Amino acid sequence: QVQLVQSGAEVKKPGASVKVSCKVSGYTLTELSMHWVRQAPGKGLEWMGGFDPEDGETIYAQKFQGRVTMTEDTSTDTAYMELSSLRSEDTAVYYCAADLVGATMFDYWGQGTLVTVSS
Amino acid sequence: EIVLTQSPGTLSLSPGERATLSCRASQSVSSSYLAWYQQKPGQAPRLLIYGASSRATGIPDRFSGSGSGTDFTLTISRLEPEDFAVYYCQQYGSSPRVFTFGPGTKVDIK
Repeated sequence: QVQLVQSGAEVKKPGASVKVSCKVSGYTLTELSMHWVRQAPGKGLEWMGGFDPEDGETIYAQKFQGRVTMTEDTSTDTAYMELSSLRSEDTAVYYCAADLVGATMFDYWGQGTLVTVSS
Repeated sequence: EIVLTQSPGTLSLSPGERATLSCRASQSVSSSYLAWYQQKPGQAPRLLIYGASSRATGIPDRFSGSGSGTDFTLTISRLEPEDFAVYYCQQYGSSPRVFTFGPGTKVDIK
């Protein structure tokens, strides 16, 4: 069974960066297509980006282009999402979400990481 | 880019009743790329339906999905107490390559 375990809650000041990790077990990271989804308080789900196996590239939602970087360390089966130039509107729960490579939905989810941006 | 609209925004029903949730796309969506999720407060979403009509592993058969083109439906045949939650549809678009979620439908207890 796939498990995704995320790093703990973060509090950041506006303008700072945050890096959230997602540790995979049960499968290797190379067997999964890993994505990141966020949810602002009381709001819906928003896809940020993820690995596209069609061409082996990471794709990002246009809204986050230039501000987000998603990386993977296959030696430790850990994925990372770094968001820079944080503003108060980035306060949200950030989820890693994945499925087997080639799938177009998310069968596996991390527990979520709350990132609070406040001065 | 495809926009998903879900209706109603809130559905107030009693346990045992049938729930019918709608997801409408601004352009035609491949049925293979349409999924539904359930989310309860404080929890991560859970995949219910993929490929518009296939139940994910462990999902009870009271959940069913249908539809094609621009109109998709999630039906819960008889609501159980644990089914009161928010439901999201999601699509994958290959051009441009994006994943999109609908705004959600909250099913609450009447």
